[in-house]
Amino acid sequence: DSGVTQTPKHLITATGQRVTLRCSPRSGDLSVYWYQQSLDQGLQFLIQYYNGEERAKGNILERFSAQQFPDLHSELNLSSLELGDSALYFCASSVLSGALYNEQFFGPGTRLTVL
Amino acid sequence: DQQVKQNSPSLSVQEGRISILNCDYTNSMFDYFLWYKKYPAEGPTFLISISSIKDKNEDGRFTVFLNKSAKHLSLHIVPSQPGDSAVYFCAASGHSGAGSYQLTFGKGTKLSVIP
Repeated sequence: DSGVTQTPKHLITATGQRVTLRCSPRSGDLSVYWYQQSLDQGLQFLIQYYNGEERAKGNILERFSAQQFPDLHSELNLSSLELGDSALYFCASSVLSGALYNEQFFGPGTRLTVL
Repeated sequence: DQQVKQNSPSLSVQEGRISILNCDYTNSMFDYFLWYKKYPAEGPTFLISISSIKDKNEDGRFTVFLNKSAKHLSLHIVPSQPGDSAVYFCAASGHSGAGSYQLTFGKGTKLSVIP
């Protein structure tokens, strides 16, 4: 158990809909990262927050947005969903942001299926 | 443009023998490398890492080798055990601005250790 929790575990929805994925980082971790893993793909970095502020952006679509709240939990919002958005979405957390050695602890993921 | 490549999607090894997982990278700015292990229905977990100033790091049955000139790293597992059966992701750390280091992941290699 990494200490990172994600809800829900599974989500099935229809195209055009909007969903929210939730992540609670490990106690004491200030950084939260979101990743997408599509079929046969590695983990694609989407976005990072550090202590409530956006720190870095990766390959995140404009239809997707995220935020980190004062209690440090984070939410990833996916809107106007398309079939291609079906994937595993992982949240990870780490203590630091600007550290070369950046071990990240991953949650179990949310499997999103768009029908 | 895939900056971290794991060219073998799968690998089967007999129990007790050596498992060698390979990873190539293209970005010379990467200066820290990590291996993560992932079981089904779980998030990736950190396994071992290596700094670019080293060429070898060992932790029990796991050894990572780095060849900077070839931009290549490998993970050796000796001896391999059935419990090592999992997907292994290679990741590289590089600065992405704003005091943040990001991880870039390969697509993973599925290791099967046959009893």
